[in-house]
Amino acid sequence: DSGVTQTPKHLITATGQRVTLRCSPRSGDLSVYWYQQSLDQGLQFLIQYYNGEERAKGNILERFSAQQFPDLHSELNLSSLELGDSALYFCASSVGRGRDTEAFFGQGTRLTVV
Amino acid sequence: EDQVTQSPEALRLQEGESSSLNCSYTVSGLRGLFWYRQDPGKGPEFLFTLYSAGEEKEKERLKATLTKKESFLHITAPKPEDSATYLCAVLDYGGSQGNLIFGKGTKLSVKP
Repeated sequence: DSGVTQTPKHLITATGQRVTLRCSPRSGDLSVYWYQQSLDQGLQFLIQYYNGEERAKGNILERFSAQQFPDLHSELNLSSLELGDSALYFCASSVGRGRDTEAFFGQGTRLTVV
Repeated sequence: EDQVTQSPEALRLQEGESSSLNCSYTVSGLRGLFWYRQDPGKGPEFLFTLYSAGEEKEKERLKATLTKKESFLHITAPKPEDSATYLCAVLDYGGSQGNLIFGKGTKLSVKP
């Protein structure tokens, strides 16, 4: 158990809908990262937050957004969902900003868009 | 642009048959190279971090090494429970700002 908690574990929704994925980082970790993993693309970095502020952005679509709350948990919002958004979404956390510390991953949320 | 290439894509071994997985990388300045293990449907599990060429780290049957252009994950006398996808990731000084750039992984199957 990495100490990173993600909910829900599975999510099935229809195209055009909006969903929210939640992540609680390890105790004491200030950075939260979101990754998308699909079969053909591997793990793709979406966005990082550090202590409530956006720190880095990767290949995140405009339909997607995230935030980190004062209690350090994070939410990833996915809207106007398309079939191609079906993937595993992982959250990871680390103590620092990420430059010197390894990230620990949650078990992921499997999103299926039908 | 940072790039991470892992080979082979898939590897089948008999129990006890040692082998190595390769991770070659291109970064502007390596801050760290990370190895993770991922079981199907699960999140990546951290294994090792390597920071400089010549560094080696070991954990049970796994040993990771690093050169200026690549890293190897050596698996000695593997067991069926070592079956998983092994992911390599890099962190560089410049562009990635703290986020890991992952390779696509090597899927290892160890048969009894």
